[in-house]
Amino acid sequence: ETGVTQTPRHLVMGMTNKKSLKCEQHLGHNAMYWYKQSAKKPLELMFVYSLEERVENNSVPSRFSPECPNSSHLFLHLHTLQPEDSALYLCASSQDSKIGRELFFGEGSRLTVL
Amino acid sequence: AQSVTQLDSQVPVFEEAPVELRCNYSSSVSVYLFWYVQYPNQGLQLLLKYLSGSTLVESINGFEAEFNKSQTSFHLRKPSVHISDTAEYFCAVSPIQGAQKLVFGQGTRLTINP
Repeated sequence: ETGVTQTPRHLVMGMTNKKSLKCEQHLGHNAMYWYKQSAKKPLELMFVYSLEERVENNSVPSRFSPECPNSSHLFLHLHTLQPEDSALYLCASSQDSKIGRELFFGEGSRLTVL
Repeated sequence: AQSVTQLDSQVPVFEEAPVELRCNYSSSVSVYLFWYVQYPNQGLQLLLKYLSGSTLVESINGFEAEFNKSQTSFHLRKPSVHISDTAEYFCAVSPIQGAQKLVFGQGTRLTINP
């Protein structure tokens, strides 16, 4: 199994739908992250979890709701999204949330909002 | 706050030619510096990082980067590229204190032509 697995790889949803993105890491890490990768824009950090507690919320709209039930799993619940939310959503993990730790990324979930 | 500027969005080079991918950053505090690589249809992977010590850091596949504090730069170089180096390269910085918070540049797409 790869270190960080994201599902689904592709998702198309309408603005009124509710869906979830899932991330699972098999590396024994204690920190997990959600990043948003839009075309021609820098990766944007959305959320950071350390030992299942949210330690960073980067002014993300409430239509994105993260959940971290344990140190191996991270979800991003989506509801009433906008077309501009279409992007590649990347999950990452690291040993802990200390500075300088290497981040291990999943392959991403490509979201299209119609 | 930190920001990262990658001056070239795309860099085409011929195989076995040298390449330099430029990265400049802005920060009011000291930072650690990173280069991540994203091969087609894959997640980001750490290529190399500067935390302290020698300002010249190397990766296992022949890339190197030099931290220049006075010019606030961390350019990535390779003396001879291969087809397999085709990927998108992201420069990132993180403040040396506080929680892990990587700030990424927009990325540079490196295309190697035979």
